[in-house]
Amino acid sequence: GQNIDQPTEMTATEGAIVQINCTYQTSGFNGLFWYQQHAGEAPTFLSYNVLDGLEEKGRFSSFLSRSKGYSYLLLKELQMKDSASYLCAVMDSNYQLIWGAGTKLIIKP
Amino acid sequence: IAGITQAPTSQILAAGRRMTLRCTQDMRHNAMYWYRQDLGLGLRLIHYSNTAGTTGKGEVPDGYSVSRANTDDFPLTLASAVPSQTSVYFCASSERSTGELFFGEGSRLTVL
Repeated sequence: GQNIDQPTEMTATEGAIVQINCTYQTSGFNGLFWYQQHAGEAPTFLSYNVLDGLEEKGRFSSFLSRSKGYSYLLLKELQMKDSASYLCAVMDSNYQLIWGAGTKLIIKP
Repeated sequence: IAGITQAPTSQILAAGRRMTLRCTQDMRHNAMYWYRQDLGLGLRLIHYSNTAGTTGKGEVPDGYSVSRANTDDFPLTLASAVPSQTSVYFCASSERSTGELFFGEGSRLTVL
């Protein structure tokens, strides 16, 4: 079966760095997405990786290793507003998105 | 402001009743999707449409139907609601079927 694994919850301190991991087993691979979802709100797009390596976008970076079925989202200089759930999703060989259950990130002052 | 509009934002419904969740986008995106989100589970695809006039079944289509008469509208109908359909429903669109998704604000549905 297809599976996306990410930690259920993480806690970090304001101003620090946090890495949220995502491992996947899917039938084929056509890219990996990260979305941010604040409580009670809709998910919003953060990043897309289809080739191995690191994609940097301001305070957020996303890394992909296709051979390991692994990605991480790196958040630097954490701010209180970064408290949210972070969703990992993989596009399989049929171009369908398979979603992880999300990682709830709690930022403490 | 361009985007996706869902209605209603919240609804309590008696089991057995028929319910239609509305979704309209003004971005002229070809692809549209309906997801449900339940605590502890990832987003699950109910139905999708890659272009006006076509629809397809997702991971959890049973008990739901959709139509795509035009580019902008993609309503989701529950023919006879059951308590297990209590969930938050998100409509989404993308310019192409492989692109990033833009989500509506969600419709919280409670079936009693």
